[in-house]
Amino acid sequence: AQSVTQLDSQVPVFEEAPVELRCNYSSSVSVYLFWYVQYPNQGLQLLLKYLSGSTLVKGINGFEAEFNKSQTSFHLRKPSVHISDTAEYFCAVIQGAQKLVFGQGTRLTINP
Amino acid sequence: SQTIHQWPATLVQPVGSPLSLECTVEGTSNPNLYWYRQAAGRGLQLLFYSVGIGQISSEVPQNLSASRPQDRQFILSSKKLLLSDSGFYLCAWRGYDEQYFGPGTRLTVT
Repeated sequence: AQSVTQLDSQVPVFEEAPVELRCNYSSSVSVYLFWYVQYPNQGLQLLLKYLSGSTLVKGINGFEAEFNKSQTSFHLRKPSVHISDTAEYFCAVIQGAQKLVFGQGTRLTINP
Repeated sequence: SQTIHQWPATLVQPVGSPLSLECTVEGTSNPNLYWYRQAAGRGLQLLFYSVGIGQISSEVPQNLSASRPQDRQFILSSKKLLLSDSGFYLCAWRGYDEQYFGPGTRLTVT
């Protein structure tokens, strides 16, 4: 079965600083990878996804992620964060044809 | 366009009481539907998924159950709630290559 590990449960950064949220997945023949964002008391919103093709994926709100097959990683990055980026971020991988397997989440806190 | 609804938005229930949470999807037909639970400080746990009317797969043994009486309706139920059932419940449907989530229901069991 697939598994996803988000290495940091909480990441505090200052506004306008760069940020990287780390995600590692268990190896498989092919993987489809996702990053979702959850603002307080809301559902999840897709930030970006990797299905195939270019390993650098650009998403909404200035986020991007890089698929690294050799390191089985899919880290999320943003060069300059804003207060509004404060949220919880989830990495996920497709398992089989039906299910998403999520990591434990990383709480990103932006300090002014 | 497709939309997904959940209700109620918040719910406070005593231990031992029954539960019914509803999820409906508009703008698509025969979607795969999912129930997740997010407990405080934890990630998302897949509880049930359904690929069609009357077809339910359970991921985690517990005192919850799910039903799909109509194509675009997915219901999460319990006969007797436990304190450990508190959490944020999310319904989702699967599009072509990603899942779309509803706004969630915050359940507090007292």
